[in-house]
Amino acid sequence: DIQMTQSPSSLSASVGDRVTITCQASQDINNYLNWYQQKPGKAPKLLIYDASKLDTGVPSRFSGSGSGTDFTFTISSLQPEDTATYYCQQCDNLPITFGQGTRLDIK
Amino acid sequence: EVQLVESGGGLEQPGRSLRLSCLASGFTFDDYAMHWVRQGPGKGLEWVSGISWNSGSIVYADSVKGRFTISRDSAKNSLYLQMNSLRADDTALYYCTRAGGGYEITGTAGMDVWGQGTTVTVSS
Repeated sequence: DIQMTQSPSSLSASVGDRVTITCQASQDINNYLNWYQQKPGKAPKLLIYDASKLDTGVPSRFSGSGSGTDFTFTISSLQPEDTATYYCQQCDNLPITFGQGTRLDIK
Repeated sequence: EVQLVESGGGLEQPGRSLRLSCLASGFTFDDYAMHWVRQGPGKGLEWVSGISWNSGSIVYADSVKGRFTISRDSAKNSLYLQMNSLRADDTALYYCTRAGGGYEITGTAGMDVWGQGTTVTVSS
């Protein structure tokens, strides 16, 4: 199985800050790396797919980059509504696997 | 509106069975692979099973292999998960999701549509 190591597991930042989360795969995943946002009591929402493509309707302050095994998710200017848990996911190989999640709070 | 609505969850005893359903609407169901993903209480996301557009490819996580069966019915625009020999560690919120890339289980575009989930609790 491909292991997805996400860091940090939690962070706290201020409105307007630039926030970065990293995800490392245990092997090359051909850029089939996705990022999801999950707010409390809600289903996950796809933000970024194929490492860097913004899903429809997702604000441009969200972005993704990386290739091979190392990927980064960035919020360029943190907003209050961005409080959530963020997950990376690989869809290259079976079983599909998720990172353990990053809980993001607003200071 | 593109929508997935799960049903069938509930409280069941260890060793018993449950069948989850997911009704799809607002898109051509036959054009997409589908998945089940679960989330235990206070835990992260775990992929459970996936099925290609024509049921030609079906895959399972090791944790449910041999106990769970995924299926789909294009006439009813529905996805199912038959859960047998339930265990306490199957307790979770179960989500139905759409494979954004279309026909296949793996590859591009992630899981672009999620239902609201249905809760399964396994306890004596």
